[in-house]
Amino acid sequence: QLQLQESGSGLLKPSQTLSLTCAVSGGSISTDGYSWSWIRQPPGKGLEWIGYIYHNGNSYYNPSLRSRVTISVDRSKDQFSLRLRSVTAADTAVYYCARVAWATFSGGMDVWGQGTTVTVSS
Amino acid sequence: SSELTQPPSMSVSPGQTARITCSGDKLGDKFVSWYQQKPGQSPLLIIYQDSQRPSGIPERFSGSSSGNTATLTISGAQSMDEADYYCQAWDTSAAEVFGTGTKVTVL
Repeated sequence: QLQLQESGSGLLKPSQTLSLTCAVSGGSISTDGYSWSWIRQPPGKGLEWIGYIYHNGNSYYNPSLRSRVTISVDRSKDQFSLRLRSVTAADTAVYYCARVAWATFSGGMDVWGQGTTVTVSS
Repeated sequence: SSELTQPPSMSVSPGQTARITCSGDKLGDKFVSWYQQKPGQSPLLIIYQDSQRPSGIPERFSGSSSGNTATLTISGAQSMDEADYYCQAWDTSAAEVFGTGTKVTVL
């Protein structure tokens, strides 16, 4: 059974760079038909899509975050990563990684990590 | 990217039917997914491709889509269905959009 696990920096100061990694276990990140996504949820608010990446490195980002975001993939380690530059308090959120199932679920996200809390505070 | 609008909240009596709408430009031309999120938990995919249920999702959850509106229906709501619900679709620029979310209370 595929599982995703987020890890990374939990407390940041304004202007720093957020770095998170999502480890894929129980399956391969290189399987065709899937992409790998980051989503965040500010406290008490809704879900916001950040971006996703395919195992070949092709990536797509939320236009509102595109200038600050980079998502990368490491196929040898079955993991993908998020970098968000110049963070502010508005970037405080629970960050989730998820699998996008294009072939089996028409773009639905069928596997999610447990989420990791990132707080930006001076 | 486009926006998807949902009612902020709704309440339903146990055993009754709840219908949650999701409105967006040309939504009927896109595949819509629905997620259930309970407090402190990650979202769970409950509907994909407008009306399909993944394995293990109860039959009381159903979906439909037409025109600019998609609808999630919970038939015979149970207390365990109390949660936040989000719609999601991909717009033409390959960007994903989530709905604003609906808090469903069963009482």
